[in-house]
Amino acid sequence: GENVEQHPSTLSVQEGDSAVIKCTYSDSASNYFPWYKQELGKRPQLIIDIRSNVGEKKDQRIAVTLNKTAKHFSLHITETQPEDSAVYFCAASSNDMRFGAGTRLTVKP
Amino acid sequence: SQTIHQWPATLVQPVGSPLSLECTVEGTSNPNLYWYRQAAGRGLQLLFYSVGIGQISSEVPQNLSASRPQDRQFILSSKKLLLSDSGFYLCAWNIGQVNTEAFFGQGTRLTVV
Repeated sequence: GENVEQHPSTLSVQEGDSAVIKCTYSDSASNYFPWYKQELGKRPQLIIDIRSNVGEKKDQRIAVTLNKTAKHFSLHITETQPEDSAVYFCAASSNDMRFGAGTRLTVKP
Repeated sequence: SQTIHQWPATLVQPVGSPLSLECTVEGTSNPNLYWYRQAAGRGLQLLFYSVGIGQISSEVPQNLSASRPQDRQFILSSKKLLLSDSGFYLCAWNIGQVNTEAFFGQGTRLTVV
């Protein structure tokens, strides 16, 4: 089955800086790559996703890039704000949906 | 609109006791259904997924089982809980192909004592 690896496990940045989280996947059949944000004690919620026929997608301060050849994709958050602090999960989907181990992002004011 | 209900929100159970967590989806038909477990400070581990009634795929051998008695109902069970079963259990669904956005239930925080 699919194996998704995510790093770093923790990330601390100053408000206004950029944050980058990287993921790799193993199953070349995976064709959908969502990113979820989970605030403390709450359910994960989708923030952005990308399909395998697209190399990059942007939504305001959030962007995701995908390199199918290398089987890796990344989340980029620019101009970080304290409310961006949360755990972020990447996922890869082929026959099911597998998640990375998560990145705890802390944005210091 | 579609909604997902998961209950209970919290549960404290003694070691060796049975478990039954229920998840239902409203407003859609033939959803793909998932059970994930999140240990404290850890990632989302896929436990079971189902693409239809009676069709269950198990990802991790353990003392948990899942059933889908109805199209929009997914149940996670155990005959005898272990301490290591403690965690945050999340039900999720998506529609059509599995490569679409998954929506999560509110989660069940299970503590085995």
